[in-house]
Amino acid sequence: ETGVTQTPRHLVMGMTNKKSLKCEQHLGHNAMYWYKQSAKKPLELMFVYSLEERVENNSVPSRFSPECPNSSHLFLHLHTLQPEDSALYLCASSQGGRLYDGYTFGSGTRLTVV
Amino acid sequence: QQQVKQSPQSLIVQKGGISIINCAYENTAFDYFPWYQQFPGKGPALLIAIRPDVSEKKEGRFTISFNKSAKQFSLHIMDSQPGDSATYFCAASSGGFKTIFGAGTRLFVKA
Repeated sequence: ETGVTQTPRHLVMGMTNKKSLKCEQHLGHNAMYWYKQSAKKPLELMFVYSLEERVENNSVPSRFSPECPNSSHLFLHLHTLQPEDSALYLCASSQGGRLYDGYTFGSGTRLTVV
Repeated sequence: QQQVKQSPQSLIVQKGGISIINCAYENTAFDYFPWYQQFPGKGPALLIAIRPDVSEKKEGRFTISFNKSAKQFSLHIMDSQPGDSATYFCAASSGGFKTIFGAGTRLFVKA
């Protein structure tokens, strides 16, 4: 399988639940990203990992916890979320040293917090 | 200064017409300007990109026009087709790992 794969595609969770989003890339890229996409708003960068080290944490609440065990896998652990956290969560990867190649995005996880 | 302002929010174009989406930025350190296309249920996909050392880049029916002095760039879709109906995002980057995205333009091409 090629590209960036995200699971699950849809997730409904209660505010007291704990769940995890998974992202896997098969492109040999060395940087991975979590973005939040809400309606009519720009994509919001949440976290960046380069060579498995977190290099960006964009003032994201602690109820979101990323994990990057290796350069091909990225997780976003969720706990005690709020209804306003409902959104499409996108994972992306890039070859960090090559600025002009852009990002490859996954299809996202549609999260609904009830 | 880190914002990228995109307009219009939505656009309806007749089949065969020209679709034009505009973006403006403030940070002169940006040196890479990609456009992404997103279909429903999919993540954004890189469509075309430009660097500020050129004023125009064309790939098939898609053209980026870049005005460095005005700090503006635009996407033109020639001979627009119903299959082009999607949401388009402009973006800007200055290296590192931060890319700033516009809010998106929802394009609908009428058959």
